[in-house]
Amino acid sequence: NAGVTQTPKFRVLKTGQSMTLLCAQDMNHEYMYWYRQDPGMGLRLIHYSVGEGTTAKGEVPDGYNVSRLKKQNFLLGLESAAPSQTSVYFCASSSWGNNYGYTFGSGTRLTVV
Amino acid sequence: KNQVEQSPQSLIILEGKNCTLQCNYTVSPFSNLRWYKQDTGRGPVSLTIMTFSENTKSNGRYTATLDADTKQSSLHITASQLSDSASYICVVGEQTGANNLFFGTGTRLTVIP
Repeated sequence: NAGVTQTPKFRVLKTGQSMTLLCAQDMNHEYMYWYRQDPGMGLRLIHYSVGEGTTAKGEVPDGYNVSRLKKQNFLLGLESAAPSQTSVYFCASSSWGNNYGYTFGSGTRLTVV
Repeated sequence: KNQVEQSPQSLIILEGKNCTLQCNYTVSPFSNLRWYKQDTGRGPVSLTIMTFSENTKSNGRYTATLDADTKQSSLHITASQLSDSASYICVVGEQTGANNLFFGTGTRLTVIP
């Protein structure tokens, strides 16, 4: 049982390039989330999804887009990467009513130069 | 403004000693409070989750307390081990339909032999 799997684990982008981060969960969770973690700051919610085909903005959504075409996958896209998007990105999933438990992936370290 | 503040920022203790980490929050309306352990380069892993009606919860050598009146929580680690070296993050959930969470910046604990 893999839990939450994020790919890739590391990536270096040039300013203006685009990329997609993939999050996959095998726990049949309804809710999925994308967070970013920056030094000296708590995790901040970028976008989230309450079910297949639905997405919503979090605290810091600018510069990112997401899609949830399949229940088990949640994609985070950067259309035109900026140095301010250098961060560690975490995906998480949860099952509504499951004692509010979140399962996090191991993270993607993204550097934009 | 919903905030979660943790203290101390960092802590060094000798193996076998006990320690207590603090968390103060202003999140309202309150739903639940969680403590996560985050090893370097990994995603956060849940230690405890407490709702409004719970004032203490244990997970092995980890014991969390919650005072919902003063909006304070603590995480007590007993008989520390080298593997306890990690960041400990306090997370407070808000009562919204989005399972919205507010993250503290964490306490970096280092256990030395």
